[in-house]
Amino acid sequence: ETGVTQTPRHLVMGMTNKKSLKCEQHLGHNAMYWYKQSAKKPLELMFVYSLEERVENNSVPSRFSPECPNSSHLFLHLHTLQPEDSALYLCASSQEPLGNTEAFFGQGTRLTVV
Amino acid sequence: AQSVSQHNHHVILSEAASLELGCNYSYGGTVNLFWYVQYPGQHLQLLLKYFSGDPLVKGIKGFEAEFIKSKFSFNLRKPSVQWSDTAEYFCAVVGGSQGNLIFGKGTKLSVKP
Repeated sequence: ETGVTQTPRHLVMGMTNKKSLKCEQHLGHNAMYWYKQSAKKPLELMFVYSLEERVENNSVPSRFSPECPNSSHLFLHLHTLQPEDSALYLCASSQEPLGNTEAFFGQGTRLTVV
Repeated sequence: AQSVSQHNHHVILSEAASLELGCNYSYGGTVNLFWYVQYPGQHLQLLLKYFSGDPLVKGIKGFEAEFIKSKFSFNLRKPSVQWSDTAEYFCAVVGGSQGNLIFGKGTKLSVKP
């Protein structure tokens, strides 16, 4: 247990579906992140939230929509995804600034788009 | 932009062999460096980190890494691997105090019993 919990663990969705991934942290951290982990590629940073404000969006397609209602919760809303979006989506949290501490990761949501 | 290169995609060793996994980064300023490990079916967890001070860093489970600033490298080592070290290892870097955590592609380590 890392203190970062992601649900669901596995998700299969069609290209026309709308679904959401949830992340929750109980570590008192003030920053949260979404990463995408695909085979044979580096973990890709998708979104960064600091103090519930989005501070980074690394050119992620609009079919991915993050939401951070408070410092403990982070969502990733998904709609009209493509098969190439199938991957492991990881949530992480840290205490800002990240340069002085470490990030803690959840176990991820394995997403399959059919 | 920051980037991290891990030289080996898949390393296969026998138990008791020595391990060295390469990691190079590109960033001209102050960096903080990390090695994370992901055991099969488990979450990413921190193995060790370097922020400042002694460039030889000791981590959990007998792992260590050496920061060589002139080579922009942070290689991971272990003198004698065990079957339980089978996992994927990720090098990561944060450039400056306000940077983001950027990962390499990872190196899969398979240890044969």
